[in-house]
Amino acid sequence: EDKVVQSPLSLVVHEGDTVTLNCSYEVTNFRSLLWYKQEKKAPTFLFMLTSSGIEKKSGRLSSILDKKELFSILNITATQTGDSAVYLCAVEALGSYGKLTFGQGTILTVHP
Amino acid sequence: DTGVSQDPRHKITKRGQNVTFRCDPISEHNRLYWYRQTLGQGPEFLTYFQNEAQLEKSRLLSDRFSAERPKGSFSTLEIQRTEQGDSAMYLCASSSPRGGPNYGYTFGSGTRLTVV
Repeated sequence: EDKVVQSPLSLVVHEGDTVTLNCSYEVTNFRSLLWYKQEKKAPTFLFMLTSSGIEKKSGRLSSILDKKELFSILNITATQTGDSAVYLCAVEALGSYGKLTFGQGTILTVHP
Repeated sequence: DTGVSQDPRHKITKRGQNVTFRCDPISEHNRLYWYRQTLGQGPEFLTYFQNEAQLEKSRLLSDRFSAERPKGSFSTLEIQRTEQGDSAMYLCASSSPRGGPNYGYTFGSGTRLTVV
């Protein structure tokens, strides 16, 4: 059974801090790893990673995948209060037709 | 709004009652997924459809749960004889004809069910 574990489960920082969120996974026939941001409603897509060592970047957010060690990290630099949310990591297996297995999420709280 | 729509947004029901939720996917998406999310957890896969065919069901989907997608457009998720443990957010997602998160996988805002 596919499994995704995220750490830490919660994190409290101040504006301007840099945070690193971790995601480790076990999946048969890995296809992709995805990061989502969830603010009380629908998860919104951040990144999809399929290859090791290639950093994806969007503004202050970046993510990288290590397929050998089976983990990914999500970095957020110069955090802002608007970054406060639950960050979800999910994996997709080949042949699963888009079915995602999610971790439990990391709750990030950014104080002014 | 051309995103994934879910109705109702909130539902409070008494234990033992039946409830039905609706999901309207993005019109050109042929794949539709249902997930359940409880407090403090990530979404858990329940079932998915390709067009009108239900291709996979999770073990989480007990006999009290049934999902349909008539005509391959909107979908409904029905829970019969609700239990307090059914209280959760029910999320719907749809994806484009090529399928999977690579291609426009979009979540709706969810239906929050509270069973009292």
